[in-house]
Amino acid sequence: DVKVTQSSRYLVKRTGEKVFLECVQDMDHENMFWYRQDPGLGLRLIYFSYDVKMKEKGDIPEGYSVSREKKERFSLILESASTNQTSMYLCASSLTGGRGEKLFFGSGTQLSVL
Amino acid sequence: AQSVTQLDSQVPVFEEAPVELRCNYSSSVSVYLFWYVQYPNQGLQLLLKYLSGSTLVKGINGFEAEFNKSQTSFHLRKPSVHISDTAEYFCVTGGTSYGKLTFGQGTILTVHP
Repeated sequence: DVKVTQSSRYLVKRTGEKVFLECVQDMDHENMFWYRQDPGLGLRLIYFSYDVKMKEKGDIPEGYSVSREKKERFSLILESASTNQTSMYLCASSLTGGRGEKLFFGSGTQLSVL
Repeated sequence: AQSVTQLDSQVPVFEEAPVELRCNYSSSVSVYLFWYVQYPNQGLQLLLKYLSGSTLVKGINGFEAEFNKSQTSFHLRKPSVHISDTAEYFCVTGGTSYGKLTFGQGTILTVHP
């Protein structure tokens, strides 16, 4: 089974801190995604990557950046955390991004910014 | 642009009753539709998907969905639910570009004994 592992289940940070969320997948998938999940809003795409060092903005990239130096690892960076970035963050991966291909999700990181 | 709207934010139901979770979609291009489920404190997993062909799609755990082009709907159904079906369900579209998906707002299904 594909495993997508997010480094922290819960994270508490202070406003203005730089925050790193890490995600690792073990199945040599080409595509990796970062979503945030908020009640009543579903999941919204922040950034995705289709290859090492390649990235594209999703629907809500403001205040975030990403890094993909190795194929298996995709990091989400909050340069200066703000309270409105308190949310559940979900990482996902897919093999090639082909038609109808399913995404494999990690268990999520609940980030609280105080 | 593709989008989906889930018509119910919460659906309470008794065990062994039937359930329908409603989803409408809008798209100007070929439609790929999915239902994902998120059990408490877990990541999301694929329940079923529609790409083309038969409009009735069967998924895991006894769920099925029907693609209705004239009504632009993709409702999820199960004839008899269990306590273990308590979860949040997402109607999803996309998959045409790098596998990017667009999620609906989610429907929380709560099954009561």
